[in-house]
Amino acid sequence: DGGITQSPKYLFRKEGQNVTLSCEQNLNHDAMYWYRQDPGQGLRLIYYSQIVNDFQKGDIAEGYSVSREKKESFPLTVTSAQKNPTAFYLCASSRLAGGTYEQYFGPGTRLTVT
Amino acid sequence: QQPVQSPQAVILREGEDAVINCSSSKALYSVHWYRQKHGEAPVFLMILLKGGEQKGHDKISASFNEKKQQSSLYLTASQLSYSGTYFCGTEFDNAGNMLTFGGGTRLMVKP
Repeated sequence: DGGITQSPKYLFRKEGQNVTLSCEQNLNHDAMYWYRQDPGQGLRLIYYSQIVNDFQKGDIAEGYSVSREKKESFPLTVTSAQKNPTAFYLCASSRLAGGTYEQYFGPGTRLTVT
Repeated sequence: QQPVQSPQAVILREGEDAVINCSSSKALYSVHWYRQKHGEAPVFLMILLKGGEQKGHDKISASFNEKKQQSSLYLTASQLSYSGTYFCGTEFDNAGNMLTFGGGTRLMVKP
């Protein structure tokens, strides 16, 4: 079955530690996205990638970093510079970048930093 | 700028209808609608493109009013499975821009 996988589902970290969230897709999509969702809020775009080895900042990129070395993979690192990292993180992909194409979402990773 | 969704929350009895609106202060090129169950990933419902037709499947449909820069999602004869949070995602101005999501509308359908 084609889809997007994210791991782990739950992640706990101490303040000051970097943490990397995994996102893999086997849909052969060119575009991938990372969103952050806070309780009762909508989705906010962190980073997106339109093609391998290229990515752009979204609306809230500060304190986050990404890489896109393979078409299937788009890991997100939450660095210690992120002031309030506790949130639900969603990875998504679409055939091509932009709003004309349906986005498929992974199951999400709930990160708790204490 | 984030699109504004209204209402923020709605409670229905099974079989009742609901309308959820998504309004933007900027010109829209496309509008997406997604439904999210608690703790799960959003699931795509439909896309409406500027100049395109009203979309719909089963008892869920949507429209796109270019003059008002607004989209409306219509849920008719609601079912328990319709419960969740509905998000609109808007693409501003031209094709190729990233989506900006609204704050969501919580819908609860009771028996």
